[in-house]
Amino acid sequence: NAGVTQTPKFRVLKTGQSMTLLCAQDMNHEYMYWYRQDPGMGLRLIHYSVGEGTTAKGEVPDGYNVSRLKKQNFLLGLESAAPSQTSVYFCASSFWQALAKNIQYFGAGTRLSVL
Amino acid sequence: SQQGEEDPQALSIQEGENATMNCSYKTSINNLQWYRQNSGRGLVHLILIRSNEREKHSGRLRVTLDTSKKSSSLLITASRAADTASYFCATDRAGNQFYFGTGTSLTVIP
Repeated sequence: NAGVTQTPKFRVLKTGQSMTLLCAQDMNHEYMYWYRQDPGMGLRLIHYSVGEGTTAKGEVPDGYNVSRLKKQNFLLGLESAAPSQTSVYFCASSFWQALAKNIQYFGAGTRLSVL
Repeated sequence: SQQGEEDPQALSIQEGENATMNCSYKTSINNLQWYRQNSGRGLVHLILIRSNEREKHSGRLRVTLDTSKKSSSLLITASRAADTASYFCATDRAGNQFYFGTGTSLTVIP
């Protein structure tokens, strides 16, 4: 049982390049989330998904796209990377629980630098 | 905008002492959660307290919630070097989204 796995762990991009971050979970969770973590800012939600084939915008969605074609995978895409997207990206997943008692399980993170 | 704000931003204590960190939030919630993040790792869930609860314990952790003041506190008793980490509160918002605070960085000195 691997939990939540993110690939890659590190990546350096040049401004304007594109890339996809992959998140995979083996816990059969309905919900999946993508966050970015910046110094002094805590975690901010980029996009999330409440089930296969559905996605929704979070707090800071601009410059990112996502897809959830399979229940276990949640992809985060950067079409044209900008230096402001330098950050550590975390994926999380959870079961649905009434009254928002979702407990999130996090991956180890992807450290992205955009030059 | 951030929903949760933790204070202090950083805390340094001796092993064996208690550590207290606080979280304030802005809007009504269904529950509040605390997570720990070790350096370079993902967050790990510690404890959840529901809006109709005032106090909850889990091992050396004690969490309180005051919905009238929109605040929560996390107390770690008899701290250990292994407790060195950042601690975040998380509150729910509409649409199955969660706000995370900016975190408290705890250093426990052996």
